[in-house]
Amino acid sequence: SQQGEEDPQALSIQEGENATMNCSYKTSINNLQWYRQNSGRGLVHLILIRSNEREKHSGRLRVTLDTSKKSSSLLITASRAADTASYFCAPENDYKLSFGAGTTVTVRA
Amino acid sequence: DVKVTQSSRYLVKRTGEKVFLECVQDMDHENMFWYRQDPGLGLRLIYFSYDVKMKEKGDIPEGYSVSREKKERFSLILESASTNQTSMYLCASSFNRQGRAGELFFGEGSRLTVL
Repeated sequence: SQQGEEDPQALSIQEGENATMNCSYKTSINNLQWYRQNSGRGLVHLILIRSNEREKHSGRLRVTLDTSKKSSSLLITASRAADTASYFCAPENDYKLSFGAGTTVTVRA
Repeated sequence: DVKVTQSSRYLVKRTGEKVFLECVQDMDHENMFWYRQDPGLGLRLIYFSYDVKMKEKGDIPEGYSVSREKKERFSLILESASTNQTSMYLCASSFNRQGRAGELFFGEGSRLTVL
């Protein structure tokens, strides 16, 4: 399995600060995706980065991918209380996305 | 907006019962997936389907089966529920983009408790 592994497991920051979380995986991928999950709800897609891309931006999100190190990072800038959620990376190979246990982010007002 | 609807948000069943979890999507997606989510273990893929009447085993298919008779509907079946199948079950769907899963759209989840 090439399940993504997120680090840290949990993160607590002040509103307005940046939040960074990392993801490592084990085998080759087609792309890597990041998702958010609010407590008790389904996952919502945030961003997809292809294996030939190194960096991608979407609003306050910045994702990097280093295929040589088999790692990715997600940066959320200028965090808000509404960013409180769990964040999951999902390496994709063919039809399968493999999710890790996620990083739980708490944004304090 | 894409909508993935799971039939039940909460279910309580007894050991040995047959359990059906239904999932319907309204975006004509080719791919559909069933995951289970457990604390500390993340989401684990049970089964997926990339076309009507097609199914593929995921990482943890034991104790489960699936049915996809129509494109919009993907059912997860627990033939004989056991307590270790107590979990949150998440259904997802996506377009089939050149043999890849693409962006997944998730339902709200079905929390199953087996007593």
